[in-house]
Amino acid sequence: DGGITQSPKYLFRKEGQNVTLSCEQNLNHDAMYWYRQDPGQGLRLIYYSQIVNDFQKGDIAEGYSVSREKKESFPLTVTSAQKNPTAFYLCASSRQGSGKNIQYFGAGTRLSVL
Amino acid sequence: DQQVKQNSPSLSVQEGRISILNCDYTNSMFDYFLWYKKYPAEGPTFLISISSIKDKNEDGRFTVFLNKSAKHLSLHIVPSQPGDSAVYFCAASRAGGTSYGKLTFGQGTILTVHP
Repeated sequence: DGGITQSPKYLFRKEGQNVTLSCEQNLNHDAMYWYRQDPGQGLRLIYYSQIVNDFQKGDIAEGYSVSREKKESFPLTVTSAQKNPTAFYLCASSRQGSGKNIQYFGAGTRLSVL
Repeated sequence: DQQVKQNSPSLSVQEGRISILNCDYTNSMFDYFLWYKKYPAEGPTFLISISSIKDKNEDGRFTVFLNKSAKHLSLHIVPSQPGDSAVYFCAASRAGGTSYGKLTFGQGTILTVHP
């Protein structure tokens, strides 16, 4: 089945530690996105990539880093510089060029700080 | 600056009745609007969308209305079912430019449909 797979489902970070969240898609989509959701808030864009080897900062990129070495994969690293990392992280992908940016989401990763 | 706003944090409706979820936006450059449904601890699921060249789009029990002059859109669910209970997000995007592909989301509205 085609879809977006995020792993792990739950992740715990120790202070000063970097952690990496995985996102893989087999929808052959060009664009991929990372969002963060906090309680009572909407989704806020962290980073997005419209093509392999290229990515742009979203609205809240500080303390995060990404890479896009393969079309199928867009991992997100939460660095120690991110002082409030506890949140629900969502990865999405979409086709480009259709004029209709329907993004399809993975099941999410819940990150907590120990 | 919240460019997409859902001013009602929650909505409670009786099964079989109509649910109306509202969304306002401020950026006149937005030209494509979407509604997503989200259950707890899951990713959002695309529900329905509308282009700015239309004022209505219907898909089964779901209809989205767009009022460009008021910068307002709404999602109607008729009839409402208990399985519709979820958080609903509206989102907006604009074609072209450096913002191409980005979605701006509202805060979400929690819909509860009572049997």
